[in-house]
Amino acid sequence: SAVISQKPSRDICQRGTSLTIQCQVDSQVTMMFWYRQQPGQSLTLIATANQGSEATYESGFVIDKFPISRPNLTFSTLTVSNMSPEDSSIYLCSVETSGYNEQFFGPGTRLTVL
Amino acid sequence: QKEVEQNSGPLSVPEGAIASLNCTYSDRVSQSFFWYRQYSGKSPELIMSIYSNGDKEDGRFTAQLNKASQYVSLLIRDSQPSDSATYLCAVDKSGTYKYIFGTGTRLKVLA
Repeated sequence: SAVISQKPSRDICQRGTSLTIQCQVDSQVTMMFWYRQQPGQSLTLIATANQGSEATYESGFVIDKFPISRPNLTFSTLTVSNMSPEDSSIYLCSVETSGYNEQFFGPGTRLTVL
Repeated sequence: QKEVEQNSGPLSVPEGAIASLNCTYSDRVSQSFFWYRQYSGKSPELIMSIYSNGDKEDGRFTAQLNKASQYVSLLIRDSQPSDSATYLCAVDKSGTYKYIFGTGTRLKVLA
């Protein structure tokens, strides 16, 4: 399976600021996704990162709050904008590489907003 | 009704026993089903995928799918303390590549 890395691995941010999280894959992938895992909770899909076009957001998530870029088939960024303590979560990117609709996750970015 | 439901546990089993983890889903047209293992502080790791009714075995793990009952399970044979983790069930919503996750079952294997 592909090797997926995320930067930063963790960060502590102040309310009202923004943080950009990077996801890098060691091979070209068609499907790339961003998830959020709030403390003690399961994973929730934020959006599908589409190469060359706007991301597709799930209900409850908007582009102004979570802008996503996907400049090529190996890289994507997720920005968490105008942060509040409620944005404290682990943010994970995932990719589908097997051709069997199987998703593999990056190591995650643990975000704490004060 | 939640789209994907799991018992949160903890499920405690003695070492060497069979651990049985269950998941139900609400979307009848779901086609793909996945089990992930997540250790504390780590990201989810794919254990099994299953697409057809019946059993699928991989080492000590067996996934079972019953689409008529909208039920998928994971059996772990010869459970080891290293199997202690949270097990997440994920369902591909209507073949869209979009996963819906259950809340996970915490498994404790007692040495």
